[in-house]
Amino acid sequence: GEQVEQRPPHLSVREGDSAFITCTYTDPNSYYFFWYKQEPGASLQLLMKVFSSTEINEGQGFTVLLNKKDKRLSLNLTAAHPGDSAAYFCAVSVPGTGSNRLTFGKGTKFSLIP
Amino acid sequence: EAAVTQSPRNKVAVTGGKVTLSCNQTNNHNNMYWYRQDTGHGLRLIHYSYGAGSTEKGDIPDGYKASRPSQENFSLILELATPSQTSVYFCASGDAGHNTGQLYFGEGSKLTVL
Repeated sequence: GEQVEQRPPHLSVREGDSAFITCTYTDPNSYYFFWYKQEPGASLQLLMKVFSSTEINEGQGFTVLLNKKDKRLSLNLTAAHPGDSAAYFCAVSVPGTGSNRLTFGKGTKFSLIP
Repeated sequence: EAAVTQSPRNKVAVTGGKVTLSCNQTNNHNNMYWYRQDTGHGLRLIHYSYGAGSTEKGDIPDGYKASRPSQENFSLILELATPSQTSVYFCASGDAGHNTGQLYFGEGSKLTVL
């Protein structure tokens, strides 16, 4: 089955700096990719949904990059601010299973250096 | 308005006791899921369901049962709870018709087994 590896497990940067979180996956048929954000003690909120036909997706304060050749999904927080402190999870879905079954990375705990 | 609600939000159980975690969704989604979240493991799929009356094993089903009596409700049952099942449990729903893989999560249920 699909395997998803997420790095790094912990990440701290100064306010205003950029940060990268990367996931690699194994199934070349993977088609849907997700980044979820989880604030302490809270549920998972969808940050961005990416389809394999688009390599670069921009959100408010972040960019998601998909490299299908290398089977790599990246989240770039472009200018970190306090509201970004949270855990981030990537997730991958294979179409045709009919189950919306997602395989998650183990997460990255992101924080700002005071 | 929360579309996926879980109960109880916090539960303390004794080893060998029975625990039932309940989930209700108003999204009218066919698919529902139970995940557990542990530090260092991310989210792991326990059981899922395609619709009323159906339950399927996920990646870590041992020690858990599931029940889907209706479109809206999906329960996770621990017949004989063990301390290793201490965790935070998340329920989610997804629309099989769109098959995009996007899931909508509940707020989580924190279970402590003593």
